[in-house]
Parts: sequence; structure tokens; C-alpha cells
Amino acid sequence: EVQLLESGGDLVQPGGSLRLSCAASGITFSSHVMNWVRQAPGKGLEWVSGISTSGGTTYYADSLKGRFTISRDNSKDTLYLQMNSLRAEDTALYYCTYGDSKAWGQGTLVTVSS
Amino acid sequence: DIQMTQSPSAMSASVGDRVTITCRASQGISNHLAWFQQKPGKVPKRLIYAATDLQSGVPSRFSGSGSGTEFTLTISSLQPEDFATYYCLQHNSYPQTFGGGTKVEIK
Repeated sequence: EVQLLESGGDLVQPGGSLRLSCAASGITFSSHVMNWVRQAPGKGLEWVSGISTSGGTTYYADSLKGRFTISRDNSKDTLYLQMNSLRAEDTALYYCTYGDSKAWGQGTLVTVSS
Repeated sequence: DIQMTQSPSAMSASVGDRVTITCRASQGISNHLAWFQQKPGKVPKRLIYAATDLQSGVPSRFSGSGSGTEFTLTISSLQPEDFATYYCLQHNSYPQTFGGGTKVEIK
């Protein structure tokens, strides 16, 4: 059974930083493109970032303007999202997915507020 | 970037109705499209992949069609458990993009 377990969400002040993690099991992690998807309260789904199997190629939503960095550690079957210069509009539930989002974690909540 | 225009944004329907939701891509995406269902407070669930393939375990009343720029999710006979919000996702190219969602409510 595929399991994606996100962690690292927290309440942070505007301008702050946070690092999210996603531990994967039940899949050959190194064989899959991985993604982060977020959902602001009461809003729709927004694709945030993706990373190739090796980690050598990364992709981001235009709205992030270089504030987020995705990475992976295939030796630990773990995906990361480093989030800097956080804004109120980054408040959301952040999900880890793989491939065409065939499976999702339960999400980790990021709240940006003073 | 590819824009996904999903319609309608909301609809009311009755149990037993045939429901059709459409996603239009701003450029061709072949069949690189998936459909998801999300119920309140729950994680999205993939229903359809590769535009037309039914995810294992998903009832056969759900079907997907289309290729290129026009895609459709059809629920042949709406059931009480189908009241939810539905999203399409294009994964043909990065950045991947979701449609805006369709909320299916009880009439």
C-alpha cells in the first residue's frame, strides 16, 4: 500500500521560512516524479512544484516567484519543500503526490499569520 | 503555461441524473489528463487517468472522454455519495495545472 506522510506544517509569521517533508513508502520512490499540491481554505487545488526522479530537474508554479525550493533524497525516500519569504496567501494544506497525482498524503497545514 | 478551463463551476443535480463536466485546455495535451473527486474535509481521490482510464475500484458509472483540448467527465447515474467537488489536472507539461473545480450539489 502506498503511503505518503507529510510533516513540517506550522504557524509562521509573514516573511518566515518552513521546510516540509514527505516520507514515502509502498512505492519505488526513486522511480517516480514527485509533486507538491496545495489547497487554501475553501479554495481549489493548486499545483505548486514538481521534481524529476533524480532530482536534477525541478518545476514551479509561476506564482511562487522563486520563494520555494523542492528537493528529494532518494536514499531516504523523502521529498522536501523549502518555503521562504512566506506570505498570508501561502496559507494552505500542502499535499505530496507522485506521478499524475495518483496518490496523495493527508497533507500538512501551513498557516502564515502574525 | 497551459490553462485548464473547467465548467460548470457548480451545478445542482438529482440522484439518477446524468452529469457532465468539461475541461478545456488552452493548448493540446494529448491524453495527459486526470480527474479527481474531493469530498469536504477529505483528500482528493483520482477517478480517471490518461483521460479515459478508470482508476481501479472506482464505480463504472464514472467515465472520461476526450483528447487534445476537450475533455469530459461523465457520471451516468448520480448517486448520493457522488455529491462532491471534481477537478481535472493536466500533466502534459510543467507547470501542471488543475481546473477550477466543479461542485456538484443536491437539487
